[in-house]
Amino acid sequence: GENVEQHPSTLSVQEGDSAVIKCTYSDSASNYFPWYKQELGKGPQLIIDIRSNVGEKKDQRIAVTLNKTAKHFSLHITETQPEDSAVYFCAASLGASYDKVIFGPGTSLSVIP
Amino acid sequence: DAGITQSPRYKITETGRQVTLMCHQTWSHSYMFWYRQDLGHGLRLIYYSAAADITDKGEVPDGYVVSRSKTENFPLTLESATRSQTSVYFCASRTGREQYFGPGTRLTVT
Repeated sequence: GENVEQHPSTLSVQEGDSAVIKCTYSDSASNYFPWYKQELGKGPQLIIDIRSNVGEKKDQRIAVTLNKTAKHFSLHITETQPEDSAVYFCAASLGASYDKVIFGPGTSLSVIP
Repeated sequence: DAGITQSPRYKITETGRQVTLMCHQTWSHSYMFWYRQDLGHGLRLIYYSAAADITDKGEVPDGYVVSRSKTENFPLTLESATRSQTSVYFCASRTGREQYFGPGTRLTVT
């Protein structure tokens, strides 16, 4: 079955710097890769996603890149702000359908003012 | 517009007791999911449902039972709670690609 690994588990950056979170997946059939942000005491919320036919996607300060050959994808946050502090989860679809996704273990991001 | 709600938000129970966690969504989304969140494991899928009366196992279904008689409700039952089921439980519903998560239920089994 699918296995999703995520690194680092914790990340501290200065406000204004960039943050990068990396994930790998094992199932070559996976074709959908969402990223969720979880603020303290709340449920996760989708922030960006990418399909396997796209190598990169950007939405304002966040971007995701996908390397299907290497089976890894990354989240990039530029010009970080204190409100970016949260736990970030990557995920990969189970097979070619996004009916189910498998989540990585999460990265706790702290942005230091 | 409440969206997706979970109850109770906090629950303490004893080993061996039956516990039911409730999940209700107001959107009429077809898909609903139950996850548990534990440190170092992220979110693990327990059960999911594609529609009323259709449910299927996820990654960690043992010890849990679900039902879905109505589209808007998806209760999760722990038939005989164990300490290993101490966790934060999230319900979610899906439309298109995006899953919408509830606020979670923190369950402690003593």
